[in-house]
Amino acid sequence: DAKTTQPNSMESNEEEPVHLPCNHSTISGTDYIHWYRQLPSQGPEYVIHGLTSNVNNRMASLAIAEDRKSSTLILHRATLRDAAVYYCILGGATNKLIFGTGTLLAVQP
Amino acid sequence: SQTIHQWPATLVQPVGSPLSLECTVEGTSNPNLYWYRQAAGRGLQLLFYSVGIGQISSEVPQNLSASRPQDRQFILSSKKLLLSDSGFYLCAWDPRLGETQYFGPGTRLLVL
Repeated sequence: DAKTTQPNSMESNEEEPVHLPCNHSTISGTDYIHWYRQLPSQGPEYVIHGLTSNVNNRMASLAIAEDRKSSTLILHRATLRDAAVYYCILGGATNKLIFGTGTLLAVQP
Repeated sequence: SQTIHQWPATLVQPVGSPLSLECTVEGTSNPNLYWYRQAAGRGLQLLFYSVGIGQISSEVPQNLSASRPQDRQFILSSKKLLLSDSGFYLCAWDPRLGETQYFGPGTRLLVL
């Protein structure tokens, strides 16, 4: 299974943009890039996913490098409720999603 | 719409006692089902997954087992709990491998 590498933790200020990086140099051509987040004492929730093109939804944006070996989750205006662990995961047609340790995002008021 | 339920929400059990955690999904058919465990301050560890009734794949050796007696029911069991079984147990489902997974609220298990 292809692996991802994320920073252990990041800090942001409220109402500022946050860029959460993820490296996935061994990604295969059929792997989608998924992002989930886990709020304290809850199960993970889906944030966004993409294959090659950048993606936007109401929660976030996903910027995918042209060579697909890295991606960035963008929260346009961080709020205190965005404090969570963010997981970057690769998933293909036959691959189970493998969760790593993620990035713990702290948001300061 | 689909919903996923887990119970109990919290559980305190003595070492050596049995365990049964249940997960059910509503609003979909033939889902893939997953059991994860999360130790304090750690990421999620996939324990078992199932692609159909009676079909169980184990990801890590341990004293836990899983069963899928019905299409939308997934059960995690143990005959004798260990201290190391403490953790946050999450059930999840997806319509196909590699697609978005949807998680239940979790069961927090403390083994004393």
